[in-house]
Amino acid sequence: NAGVTQTPKFRILKIGQSMTLQCTQDMNHNYMYWYRQDPGMGLKLIYYSVGAGITDKGEVPNGYNVSRSTTEDFPLRLELAAPSQTSVYFCASSYTKDSTDTQYFGPGTRLTVL
Amino acid sequence: GQNIDQPTEMTATEGAIVQINCTYQTSGFNGLFWYQQHAGEAPTFLSYNVLDGLEEKGRFSSFLSRSKGYSYLLLKELQMKDSASYLCAAMDSNYQLIWGAGTKLIIKP
Repeated sequence: NAGVTQTPKFRILKIGQSMTLQCTQDMNHNYMYWYRQDPGMGLKLIYYSVGAGITDKGEVPNGYNVSRSTTEDFPLRLELAAPSQTSVYFCASSYTKDSTDTQYFGPGTRLTVL
Repeated sequence: GQNIDQPTEMTATEGAIVQINCTYQTSGFNGLFWYQQHAGEAPTFLSYNVLDGLEEKGRFSSFLSRSKGYSYLLLKELQMKDSASYLCAAMDSNYQLIWGAGTKLIIKP
């Protein structure tokens, strides 16, 4: 199993550009998450999904959109990039949301908005 | 509000023992997690506590006191490869993880 994969690994955007961060998992996990990690800060939840066709906002959803058309894929869309969105983005997945089930993380996408 | 506090940075010597503390305040509580994150890499799961007490897993142990909102991660026989950030995260009543900023552990020979 590849686990959780993310593309691209690095990206530089200009202000106002848009892009999609891709996330795929091959573990048949129901739950998927998008986090951002800023220097000196804890991971912040952007959006999550409890299954195909169902998404919900996390702590910091503004400026982002998601979709979940399949169990495997959970892309994150930035429509109008802003410097405040410069961060490292991690996708994660878990089989359930129970506290007994750990989240598995992808390698991350390092995004810079100039 | 919900909050996780842990030290920003700690330094220890190879072969020694180090304890990384974490205090938490969350709306409800469904467990305390510790993750390890090497520089430039993704977090990886280390341990989980939901009941009071000590959980031991090889060189790593994790302790929880629910009444004090307190946990620690104990690393024994430190190795250079243990140089990493250690993230404390508490799961709230909505089963969402609230993350601390991480403790950067520096191991010196």
